[in-house]
Amino acid sequence: QVQLQESGPGLVKPSQTLSLTCTVSGGSISSGDYYWSWIRQPPGKGLEWIGYIYYSGSTYYNPSLKSRVTISVDTSKNQFSLKLSSVTAADTAVYYCATITPESGRVDYWGQGTLVTVSS
Amino acid sequence: DIQMTQSPSSLSASVGDRVTITCQASQDISNYLNWYQQKPGKAPKLLIYDASNLETGVPSRFSGSGSGTDFTFTISSLQPEDIATYYCQQYDNLPPGFTFGPGTKVDIK
Repeated sequence: QVQLQESGPGLVKPSQTLSLTCTVSGGSISSGDYYWSWIRQPPGKGLEWIGYIYYSGSTYYNPSLKSRVTISVDTSKNQFSLKLSSVTAADTAVYYCATITPESGRVDYWGQGTLVTVSS
Repeated sequence: DIQMTQSPSSLSASVGDRVTITCQASQDISNYLNWYQQKPGKAPKLLIYDASNLETGVPSRFSGSGSGTDFTFTISSLQPEDIATYYCQQYDNLPPGFTFGPGTKVDIK
């Protein structure tokens, strides 16, 4: 059973870069079983897929965020990370790390989520 | 980009009622359609994958059907613990993309 835990600052200033890390336990990022993904949810709103990284290092991002997003992986620590640059108040959301099964695109495992507020 | 619509946006039903939610894709997505339940303050939980397959451990009162562009999610007998928001989600692999529907909030009448 894969377990995921997000960590990072809960408050980011406008125009700065949001940085979050997801620590994986119960499974290996190097296994190839999942797309290691980030999904966010603004307060009171719906879910938005941000992007994913595969064990091979290949990444794919939501086109609406692509210019500002970088997802990377540290296999030695079994972690993957999200950087979102030039944030505005519209980026305030609960950020989830999650696993997506490549064959069906289903999100199998979710972290508990972490609220990131963009405010000066 | 594939767009997903869900209806209704909210509903109120009595315990024991049959509840049906529909999800429509803007183009053919075959059966690449999943359903999630989200309770307040919690991460979503996968209920149905590949349009009609029940995730392990999920009660059998939940079911899904459909293919192509039109999909249906059903709770055969609504229980108090089913109060939640339900989301459909499509998967497109060329290029890879994942889009959630806007959600349906289910309440007890």
